[in-house]
Amino acid sequence: KAGVTQTPRYLIKTRGQQVTLSCSPISGHRSVSWYQQTPGQGLQFLFEYFSETQRNKGNFPGRFSGRQFSNSRSEMNVSTLELGDSALYLCASSLFYSGVDQYFGPGTRLTVT
Amino acid sequence: GQQLNQSPQSMFIQEGEDVSMNCTSSSIFNTWLWYKQDPGEGPVLLIALYKAGELTSNGRLTAQFGITRKDSFLNISASIPSDVGIYFCAGQGQGGSEKLVFGKGTKLTVNP
Repeated sequence: KAGVTQTPRYLIKTRGQQVTLSCSPISGHRSVSWYQQTPGQGLQFLFEYFSETQRNKGNFPGRFSGRQFSNSRSEMNVSTLELGDSALYLCASSLFYSGVDQYFGPGTRLTVT
Repeated sequence: GQQLNQSPQSMFIQEGEDVSMNCTSSSIFNTWLWYKQDPGEGPVLLIALYKAGELTSNGRLTAQFGITRKDSFLNISASIPSDVGIYFCAGQGQGGSEKLVFGKGTKLTVNP
């Protein structure tokens, strides 16, 4: 069974631009969660999608948004990028909503200049 | 909000030594998880604990869910070079639908 895939793996953007990241969960998994990982803050929860609905949300500004499609694939969008948005963005999939056994993808390394 | 304190932040050990790291919480958790992250990769689930007092092993790794439900420990026996990486604890609160909260990680370096 293929693992969680994320595209692109690396991205360089300029301050003020927007970016869209993609995540394909493990086949059969219906929940996708997104996390931001930085050296200073560690893993911070962004949001969770299940059955195309956002079920849980972390403490991030509205510039961070996401969506989930009927095939459970998910996208995350960050608008008006700031330097502080530079981070590794990880998605994790699980079978069910708020499933604790989450399987992570390799992440997208976003650098904002 | 809930916070996890993970210690130590980093460890430098010799190959063959045993390692111990722990996480403490300000509130009660229903589930404790331990992950390992290699450079350039996402975290990989090592051990999941679902009950207070539970002790679970995965090869040379052993983790325990504290009796108070506010802490967890991970031990690695007879460390080898491939144990290098960052180890994260994570917990889920009592609500069942709550998001996972992660510790800030313990960076392990193993000298051959």
